[in-house]
Amino acid sequence: GESVGLHLPTLSVQEGDNSIINCAYSNSASDYFIWYKQESGKGPQFIIDIRSNMDKRQGQRVTVLLNKTVKHLSLQIAATQPGDSAVYFCAGASGGYQKVTFGTGTKLQVIP
Amino acid sequence: NAGVTQTPKFRVLKTGQSMTLLCAQDMNHEYMYWYRQDPGMGLRLIHYSVGEGTTAKGEVPDGYNVSRLKKQNFLLGLESAAPSQTSVYFCASVWGEGYEQYFGPGTRLTVT
Repeated sequence: GESVGLHLPTLSVQEGDNSIINCAYSNSASDYFIWYKQESGKGPQFIIDIRSNMDKRQGQRVTVLLNKTVKHLSLQIAATQPGDSAVYFCAGASGGYQKVTFGTGTKLQVIP
Repeated sequence: NAGVTQTPKFRVLKTGQSMTLLCAQDMNHEYMYWYRQDPGMGLRLIHYSVGEGTTAKGEVPDGYNVSRLKKQNFLLGLESAAPSQTSVYFCASVWGEGYEQYFGPGTRLTVT
């Protein structure tokens, strides 16, 4: 099955700097890769996804990069704000969105 | 729209008791999911459904059953609760691939 892992459990970033959160995956059959944000005591919130035939996708202040050669996914957050403090998960989806499996998460701490 | 709602928010069970968690969505989504989240871990997929009347097993289905008799509802049942099932349970739904996945607020279950 899908195995999705993250390189670092905690990332501390100065407010205003850019953040990069990394993720490795094992299942080459995933159709989509998705990033979620989870604030304390809440359910995960969808940030952005990328189809497996794409290399890059941009959203508002966020960019996801996909490197299929090394099975690596990253989330870049521009001009990190205190409200970005949360745990970030990557996930892989197969069969379209029929089956979505998650990695363990990286905690992003924004230093004011 | 209420989005995705979960009932109850909290519950304490004794070992061997049974209960049903209800997930409801009012967005006419086809796909629905049940996940559990344990401390220091990502979300693990228990069961999922790709449409009314269909269910499928995820990564950790043992000890759980599900039903999707109506498109808007996805029920998760614990027939005989065990302490290992102490966790936070999240329900999610999505229209289909490429669309945003929505999560409920979670149910915190403690089995003593």
